[in-house]
Amino acid sequence: GNSVTQMEGPVTLSEEAFLTINCTYTATGYPSLFWYVQYPGEGLQLLLKATKADDKGSNKGFEATYRKETTSFHLEKGSVQVSDSAVYFCALLLGGATNKLIFGTGTLLAVQP
Amino acid sequence: GAVVSQHPSWVICKSGTSVKIECRSLDFQATTMFWYRQFPKQSLMLMATSNEGSKATYEQGVEKDKFLINHASLTLSTLTVTSAHPEDSSFYICSAGDYLSSYNEQFFGPGTRLTVL
Repeated sequence: GNSVTQMEGPVTLSEEAFLTINCTYTATGYPSLFWYVQYPGEGLQLLLKATKADDKGSNKGFEATYRKETTSFHLEKGSVQVSDSAVYFCALLLGGATNKLIFGTGTLLAVQP
Repeated sequence: GAVVSQHPSWVICKSGTSVKIECRSLDFQATTMFWYRQFPKQSLMLMATSNEGSKATYEQGVEKDKFLINHASLTLSTLTVTSAHPEDSSFYICSAGDYLSSYNEQFFGPGTRLTVL
């Protein structure tokens, strides 16, 4: 079946540290891949996306590359800030007529000053 | 980006009562709305998909008579949890998309915390 697996949290980092949150997926066909972020008390916001293999999504210093050979879409940021503390969700969108998003379990990131 | 609101943000009700949650797209017309349920430390699970003016399509295992979804306009969808029980306590999140102009992007509401006593 279709699924998304992401690393369990919480991930605790000091400010300016390098961040990696791993995400791998299982899907039939050619899904689009997404990272969403949920700040405390708010809804999910789209952070970045990639629609085909080797695409790199980037936003606010975050990056993720769609790797078909390893079925991965790892999220990275070179220097995290306290304001990046949030829950991060990896998700895939099945191709075709459906618009269903399948989410990973979410990873809590806590950045300490 | 587009804004989606939910009301109420939290609700506490007695077992056996019904609760209605509203999801509104504030600055765009939502051709499709989605309802998700999120348990603590778990991912969002899609409950149903609704297109404006049509009956909702429920995911396998979701009771359509218990979770009534109405999408009567392009800016409003409602989820009614009927005869709620403690096991229905959860975080309910809606999302909305305008698939005529913004293919495959969903905009999420802030969620509604339901507690059934």
